[in-house]
Amino acid sequence: DIVLTQSPGTLYLSPGDRATLSCRASQSITTSYLAWYQQRPGQAPRLLIYGASRRAHGIPDRFTGSGTGTDFTLTISRLQPEDFAVYYCQHFGRSPLMYTFGQGTKLEVK
Amino acid sequence: EVQLVQSGAEVRKPGESLKISCQGSGYIFTDYWITWVRQVPGGALEWVGNIDPSDSYTIYNPSFQDHVTFSADTSIRTAYLHWNTLKASDTAMFFCARLPYSSPRDWIEPWGQGTLVSVSS
Repeated sequence: DIVLTQSPGTLYLSPGDRATLSCRASQSITTSYLAWYQQRPGQAPRLLIYGASRRAHGIPDRFTGSGTGTDFTLTISRLQPEDFAVYYCQHFGRSPLMYTFGQGTKLEVK
Repeated sequence: EVQLVQSGAEVRKPGESLKISCQGSGYIFTDYWITWVRQVPGGALEWVGNIDPSDSYTIYNPSFQDHVTFSADTSIRTAYLHWNTLKASDTAMFFCARLPYSSPRDWIEPWGQGTLVSVSS
């Protein structure tokens, strides 16, 4: 089974900063099947990125996904107050069918 | 607007049964699979399984198989997650969400607001 490891566990930054979040897979994965979600306190997750680098509908262009193989990155440029939340990466496995999430990175105000 | 609206928070005792619901609106309910995701308090997300409402075909995460059951009632555009015998370890938030129209259905959006299930004696 593929394991997704996100780092850091918590990232302390200020509004206006640039955030770089990492998601590492235990083995090489199909780039098309890597997604990122944002979860604000008390809310459901929201899709940000799919296919490793494609922004979902309505997602601001300050959110950028990149990476291939085992190493993937979510970059948030010019942090806004509403961006401080928990971020999860997610992999889709076709055979056997499985959706695997990382443990999350919490983005907190410094 | 596509929306998934879930039933309210539930409190049960170990050994009791429970069914929570997820009603879709703003789209053709039978055209899209529904997925269920668990989030334990303060924890990460775990995939529970999927259901195709058009024929009730289901796929379960092996970690949850034999403990939960999915169903759907297309006449009221509602999917269900059912437990016959709850355990204290079932205490969690459960989200339903919609999968993409066609295979590979690799990402998840939109999500319901979540149903908090609390199981305690």
